[in-house]
Amino acid sequence: SYELTQPPSVSVSPGQTARITCSADALPKQYAYWYQQKPGQAPVLVIYKDSERPSGIPERFSGSSSGTTVTLTISGVQAEDEADYYCQSADSSGTYPRVFGGGTKLTVL
Amino acid sequence: QVQLQESGPGLVKPSETLSLTCTVSGYSISSGYYWGWIRQPPGKGLEWIGSIYHSGSTYYNPSLKSRVTISVDTSKNQFSLKLSSVTAADTAVYYCARDSPDNYYDSQGIDPWGQGTLVTVSS
Repeated sequence: SYELTQPPSVSVSPGQTARITCSADALPKQYAYWYQQKPGQAPVLVIYKDSERPSGIPERFSGSSSGTTVTLTISGVQAEDEADYYCQSADSSGTYPRVFGGGTKLTVL
Repeated sequence: QVQLQESGPGLVKPSETLSLTCTVSGYSISSGYYWGWIRQPPGKGLEWIGSIYHSGSTYYNPSLKSRVTISVDTSKNQFSLKLSSVTAADTAVYYCARDSPDNYYDSQGIDPWGQGTLVTVSS
């Protein structure tokens, strides 16, 4: 199988910057995607192709990639950003074209 | 805008087959895109199940492939999931969603998603 590794939790105070990482061997070759999921709701795409932001997603959400790690950055975190965040990518062989990370719980203190 | 809605039984007995349908509105499945299923066990993370194109071309999660069938009915603008020989481990919220445009390996992300439907496997 192929795995994407995320920290289980990240905590920040309002107004600060939150950084959530996702690591895997194929990330230098495969794009990463990020989803936000609030309790009882379906996931929402917040970043695609490492760093592109879908329409309607606030500018405080950004993505970056460096080697085997991709990072979702939320600048000026607001209370409404408290949620679970999942990265998604693929392995390099095409055997696993869609794989999700284990998720990171973002807590706004 | 594109909207998706899952439907199907909320309770399935062990060893039986789970069957769900996703109805798409605001977009014709025949126009393109892959369409997929993702599940989430209670309190756990997301797991991709598989995706289908309007032509019937499919991609499946290798860990579920032996038990999964995804099909499409363009006349009803629906696609469906069948998961056989279910156990309690298949208890989850099942989501349908729009996946890639025509090239499966040129993904723009999985978006949008349906609201999800909880399927419980229990006797």
